[in-house]
Order: sequence, then structure tokens, then C-alpha cells
Amino acid sequence: EAGVAQSPRYKIIEKRQSVAFWCNPISGHATLYWYQQILGQGPKLLIQFQNNGVVDDSQLPKDRFSAERLKGVDSTLKIQPAKLEDSAVYLCASTKTGVDTGELFFGEGSRLTVL
Amino acid sequence: KQEVTQIPAALSVPEGENLVLNCSFTDSAIYNLQWFRQDPGKGLTSLLLIQSSQREQTSGRLNASLDKSSGRSTLYIAASQPGDSATYLCAVRNTGNQFYFGTGTSLTVIP
Repeated sequence: EAGVAQSPRYKIIEKRQSVAFWCNPISGHATLYWYQQILGQGPKLLIQFQNNGVVDDSQLPKDRFSAERLKGVDSTLKIQPAKLEDSAVYLCASTKTGVDTGELFFGEGSRLTVL
Repeated sequence: KQEVTQIPAALSVPEGENLVLNCSFTDSAIYNLQWFRQDPGKGLTSLLLIQSSQREQTSGRLNASLDKSSGRSTLYIAASQPGDSATYLCAVRNTGNQFYFGTGTSLTVIP
């Protein structure tokens, strides 16, 4: 079974530029999450999708961050314009919903450096 | 709101030692608890998943326990090896499919 796919793995941009990250969850996983992880901290939820609907985006800085999950499969997270404090690893994760183990699976992450 | 705490933040042990990592959470109404391993620059790899109705799970040299009533879980690593060096995170899941993470324990196993 293929895991959660993310790209790009690394991105370096200057502040005020834009960047987009892509995620393809495990096949059949209805729930998809984007997390931001700053060095030395645990993952912080940015947005949660169930199929193509947003469940929770309360911690997403909507003035600069946006995310979509068209067709309920893969997802894109965009940052525009980027700030220095956006330097972090952006993790995508997915899980089934309903009656199952509820195990959460992560991709390798996309490391963003903002100069 | 659920809060998850992991103690200690960092741990250094000689190879071969048995060790225990701790995870505590404030709201006992959880669906499950999951332990992850994270190597530098990598994503999180699932190690063990304990459902709310279970008391423990084992995989190889790893054993995770769950005491929901006291809001605690422990990850026991037997006969530690240098390859076990990584950051270990725990996460609790509520019934709304939301996950709450601790800040992790950074483990170094010295050869």
C-alpha cells in the first residue's frame, strides 16, 4: 500500500514570495490533515478536511495561508506572501473515518525555509 | 481543550538499557492514543496504536500502555540500540477525528 505522498521535500524562498505544497493521501482515506511543525515542537494543526469539505481551519492564518482538496483526494497548501516565521516543516497526514483503527499516517513532509 | 505533555524532553542512555517515555493528557475522553517516531528531517512514523478500550500494545522491543482514567501512557523500549535514537511523540485522538500532539522526547542511545 502506497503511503502519503508529499512534494516538494524542500523549498527555499524569500519573504513575501509564494509557495505551494502538494499532498496525496493513502487511497481510501477520507480525512486529510495539514500540520505545521517548527523545530523542537509537536505538529500544529493547520487544517482538517473530510472528503472535500473543511472540518477545522481555526488555526490556519487565513490572511496568507489557503488550502484546498478538490475532488476529495489530493490537496494543496499555499502560502502567499511568506513570512520568516513560516519556516517550518509542513506535514500532511491522512486517516480513515468510521469504524476502523483510526491510525494516522504521515508523509515525509515539506521543509520550507524563508529567507 | 486537550493538552498533551511528554516528559522528559530529552533522554540519553547507554546502549542496552531499558527505558520508559511518558505521555500525559488532560481529557480522558479519547478514541485512541498513538506513539510515533520522528527521525531528523523526516515525517512521523507510527509505532503503536492503542484503542481507548485497550490497556497495552506490543511490537517487538516496544510496549505501550494506556491508563485512560489517569490520563497517562508510557512507551517502554527494551534493550535500547543506537538505531533507536530519534524523537518520540505521542498523540491522542478524540471522537471528532482531531489529534493532539505532545512536544516529543528526544532520545539518544550511546553506543
